[in-house]
Amino acid sequence: LAKTTQPISMDSYEGQEVNITCSHNNIATNDYITWYQQFPSQGPRFIIQGYKTKVTNEVASLFIPADRKSSTLSLPRVSLSDTAVYYCLVGDKAAGNKLTFGGGTRVLVKP
Amino acid sequence: EPEVTQTPSHQVTQMGQEVILRCVPISNHLYFYWYRQILGQKVEFLVSFYNNEISEKSEIFDDQFSVERPDGSNFTLKIRSTKLEDSAMYFCASGRLADINSEAFFGQGTRLTVV
Repeated sequence: LAKTTQPISMDSYEGQEVNITCSHNNIATNDYITWYQQFPSQGPRFIIQGYKTKVTNEVASLFIPADRKSSTLSLPRVSLSDTAVYYCLVGDKAAGNKLTFGGGTRVLVKP
Repeated sequence: EPEVTQTPSHQVTQMGQEVILRCVPISNHLYFYWYRQILGQKVEFLVSFYNNEISEKSEIFDDQFSVERPDGSNFTLKIRSTKLEDSAMYFCASGRLADINSEAFFGQGTRLTVV
C-alpha cells in the first residue's frame, strides 16, 4: 500500500484558494488517488478521485503530475464551512477494497 | 441524496457489557464496512463485508467483534464485553459493486463511550 505524506495543518482565509499537496512516492501502476473530507464528529466524505493529469468537479480540482508521485487538491474560494480535515488516500480502486486513512491535513478557514 | 444511517448516535455502556451498533447502508450497495476513530486519532479500518461474509478484517477486529446483516437491510457491529479502549466513533460505510468510482459513503457515526 502506497504511503502518503501531507501537511498536518494549513490556515487560510475566506475567499482564498487552498492547495494541499500529498506525496506518494511509491504509488503503484494500478493505484488511484482519492481525497476525503471530514468535519468534526462526522464520517469522511468523498471529494474527488483521479489517476493522472487533472480532474475537476463542483467541489475541487485534483492535479496529478506525469510521474504521479504527488498530487494537489485545490479548493477554490474557500468558506468557513470548508474547515475540516482532508485526507489523501492512494490505492487500487477495485471494488471492496478498504480505505487506509493517514493523519490528514487540518484546514482552518478564518474570516 | 441517499445516505448511510447509523443508530444510535451516542451509546454509553459499562465495561464488560455487549453493544450492538446498527447501520442501514444505501439500498443498492453491496459492500459494507466498519471503521472506527478514537478521539484525536486516525480513521481505522475494522472490517469489510460482501456477499454475507467478511471479506477482510484488520488486527483490531478480534474475537470480541462480529458483524451481521440479519435482514438484508441492516448491517450491525457487535462488540462483546466492551473495554475502556473501545471508546471511539464507529463509522459504517457502504459502496456499490463494480462501481468505476469505488466511492465509499460513510454514515454520521456512533459515538461509543465505555465507562
